[in-house]
Amino acid sequence: GAGVSQSPSNKVTEKGKDVELRCDPISGHTALYWYRQSLGQGLEFLIYFQGNSAPDKSGLPSDRFSAERTGGSVSTLTIQRTQQEDSAVYLCASSLARSEAFFGQGTRLTVV
Amino acid sequence: GDSVTQMEGPVTLSEEAFLTINCTYTATGYPSLFWYVQYPGEGLQLLLKATKADDKGSNKGFEATYRKETTSFHLEKGSVQVSDSAVYFCALSDYNQGGKLIFGQGTELSVKP
Repeated sequence: GAGVSQSPSNKVTEKGKDVELRCDPISGHTALYWYRQSLGQGLEFLIYFQGNSAPDKSGLPSDRFSAERTGGSVSTLTIQRTQQEDSAVYLCASSLARSEAFFGQGTRLTVV
Repeated sequence: GDSVTQMEGPVTLSEEAFLTINCTYTATGYPSLFWYVQYPGEGLQLLLKATKADDKGSNKGFEATYRKETTSFHLEKGSVQVSDSAVYFCALSDYNQGGKLIFGQGTELSVKP
């Protein structure tokens, strides 16, 4: 596709369940980012993939959060045993090296 | 590590007022600098960028100049409109630090008619 695609666009889950969020980056983009944006808040960095380098996981808030990027393309962010404080919009972005990032529309996660 | 600091919001202006949103950065290398905008209910989109010192990025009447001597990239617009109401994020990408995109905390702008 022409842009970054995220799915699902909305997800409601029960506390304690696991969720998977998917990101399809722009074809050919070597970098992929996950951010979290809580209501009225800024962007919280979660994880960064760049080419074949080891991912920068320094922003993951706990070991319940993990992400992988398969074949240098699609990425999945997994949240295990979801908590209410995980409710937020999860944003994915991709870019070429040292270039502007293009963002998807996000996945709105609500934990009830 | 690298970081970006923006002026606190929210900023409230009247239509046609002059806008400045301050942004300063800390980087070990020579980063590229960006301004992103998030309109209400929408995703983030690039507003403008500059890749080296003294470059000026511009778009939609907004401008920002890469000032290496003051490590700043302030966003300006001569005459704001109600439609400029949004959250503005300053960001950097430092190739020497792996190219990771680092954002400031965002500044909310509200323009009143």
